[in-house]
Amino acid sequence: DGGITQSPKYLFRKEGQNVTLSCEQNLNHDAMYWYRQDPGQGLRLIYYSQIVNDFQKGDIAEGYSVSREKKESFPLTVTSAQKNPTAFYLCASSAGTGETQYFGPGTRLLVL
Amino acid sequence: AQSVSQHNHHVILSEAASLELGCNYSYGGTVNLFWYVQYPGQHLQLLLKYFSGDPLVKGIKGFEAEFIKSKFSFNLRKPSVQWSDTAEYFCAVNAPGNEKLTFGTGTRLTIIP
Repeated sequence: DGGITQSPKYLFRKEGQNVTLSCEQNLNHDAMYWYRQDPGQGLRLIYYSQIVNDFQKGDIAEGYSVSREKKESFPLTVTSAQKNPTAFYLCASSAGTGETQYFGPGTRLLVL
Repeated sequence: AQSVSQHNHHVILSEAASLELGCNYSYGGTVNLFWYVQYPGQHLQLLLKYFSGDPLVKGIKGFEAEFIKSKFSFNLRKPSVQWSDTAEYFCAVNAPGNEKLTFGTGTRLTIIP
């Protein structure tokens, strides 16, 4: 089945720790995105990538980093510099610029 | 910069009632418009989208939306809701050729059996 997978479903982070969220797609999409969802705030764009080995900051990139070494993979690292990391993180992909974005099931990150 | 407003934060309806959820955007140029739905425990799914053409678009599960350019609006409608429509609904907009999709804050819809 084609789609977007995110792992893990739940992730716990200790203070000062970096954690990496996985996002894989087998839709052969060029573009991939990371969003953060907080209650009452909708989705906010963290980073996006239009093509392999290239990515751009979104609206709330501080405290996050990404890589795009393969077309199908776009991992997000939440660094210790992110002071409020507790949120629901959604990965998405699209065939190209301005095309419809399709979403994965999300990862819920909790800080211990 | 583009922005999206969803003024209804939480809507509660009885089954068989008619639904209209508001969505207004601010952007001066041509836009693509989307409604996404997030059912409890499920991932965000596309309900419908408008790129061009007929401003009345039909989506899955009996939903439709009308693009009114003069009002910068893209309201979502359903003539008769079901309990299974309980979910959170998000309106989103981007400009053609622009990667950035801007979301509204969402409307939580609760349907009472």
